[in-house]
Amino acid sequence: GAVVSQHPSWVICKSGTSVKIECRSLDFQATTMFWYRQFPKQSLMLMATSNEGSKATYEQGVEKDKFLINHASLTLSTLTVTSAHPEDSSFYICSASRGGLGGELFFGEGSRLTVL
Amino acid sequence: KQEVTQIPAALSVPEGENLVLNCSFTDSAIYNLQWFRQDPGKGLTSLLLIQSSQREQTSGRLNASLDKSSGRSTLYIAASQPGDSATYLCAVRGGRGGSEKLVFGKGTKLTVNP
Repeated sequence: GAVVSQHPSWVICKSGTSVKIECRSLDFQATTMFWYRQFPKQSLMLMATSNEGSKATYEQGVEKDKFLINHASLTLSTLTVTSAHPEDSSFYICSASRGGLGGELFFGEGSRLTVL
Repeated sequence: KQEVTQIPAALSVPEGENLVLNCSFTDSAIYNLQWFRQDPGKGLTSLLLIQSSQREQTSGRLNASLDKSSGRSTLYIAASQPGDSATYLCAVRGGRGGSEKLVFGKGTKLTVNP
């Protein structure tokens, strides 16, 4: 299957700092990428849909100023958690769509953020 | 609003058993349905993708079926192995309005005992 790489796989930061997570599709171009958040023992919660060259579409209840998403190229989307607080600690996962609306989604390995 | 339900929430079986995981969805106007596997603390691995025009897909010991009209899909795992232990997630893409989003069920946690 196709490969989606996420970096870093884990990060620990102090409260108030900003953290950037990268999501790269390594062997295909992805016009659309998705960012999810997962709490322990729960399913994935969609945070936003990222389209290359345009502003991300955020789900209801997700603060766009807190979670900045940039999709500058067809192979890279970034999620920046700004002024992180302990409640932002979570597992963040990205996915990339290969082949448009009917295409298969491939997921990164996830990034575990711990805010002290 | 699309809703995806997976039954059972957890399943424990002895090694070698054949098993079926169930998934249902409320809006049948989907583009496709995908089954994933997630190991603890890891991302998702795509297992099978079924387009809306298809009725089933097979990969090795896995077979997934889709009955779009009734809003159901099943994942059949043959001759289960301890390495199959993981959480299995069903997700559908599309729905009325042509949404790109993938909507997930809550998953079935499978344990295969040696």
